[in-house]
Amino acid sequence: DQQVKQNSPSLSVQEGRISILNCDYTNSMFDYFLWYKKYPAEGPTFLISISSIKDKNEDGRFTVFLNKSAKHLSLHIVPSQPGDSAVYFCAASGLAGNNRKLIWGLGTSLAVNP
Amino acid sequence: EPEVTQTPSHQVTQMGQEVILRCVPISNHLYFYWYRQILGQKVEFLVSFYNNEISEKSEIFDDQFSVERPDGSNFTLKIRSTKLEDSAMYFCASSFGQSVNYGYTFGSGTRLTVV
Repeated sequence: DQQVKQNSPSLSVQEGRISILNCDYTNSMFDYFLWYKKYPAEGPTFLISISSIKDKNEDGRFTVFLNKSAKHLSLHIVPSQPGDSAVYFCAASGLAGNNRKLIWGLGTSLAVNP
Repeated sequence: EPEVTQTPSHQVTQMGQEVILRCVPISNHLYFYWYRQILGQKVEFLVSFYNNEISEKSEIFDDQFSVERPDGSNFTLKIRSTKLEDSAMYFCASSFGQSVNYGYTFGSGTRLTVV
């Protein structure tokens, strides 16, 4: 099941620079996309989401861009901070009946170096 | 800040034994979920629960699995006869509404090791 793909298992960025995490999906029925951040020994923490009717959503240092025609989304973190070092998961959801479940990517491990 | 609490944090069990993983969702949340992540693999949906019944389950969630909300505060996942391949991190989550833009709140997980 490769409906949501994060092709970069890891990313290393200097503090203060921009981090760009990418995610591709194959199911055109997905209408909501989310990013979660996960630290070791903790559960995933919701970061930011975007509806398929938008192409951009911004929350502080975090911006998610959605390109529906390319079935691609990206998370930009600027400026990156050492505390942003974590695994970032892209997840997608489509309404099936009354139910929603999240389909996850494998995650990208981000290291922000001081 | 309200949080989802999962116990135990780590459970080791022998193959064939029953395990119960416990979760206390956020008190005013109405939708409850179990997900799991096998080491090195994706986070996978297991089951969603609303209004005291399962609303959706994945093909992973076979007859060996069951969920229960026994007392209005706990939400449990039972695996009747564990297999080696059940070893994984199990995450409980809850949300107030059905829409994903509420952003489910996840617990810290229970690491289940079947030996």
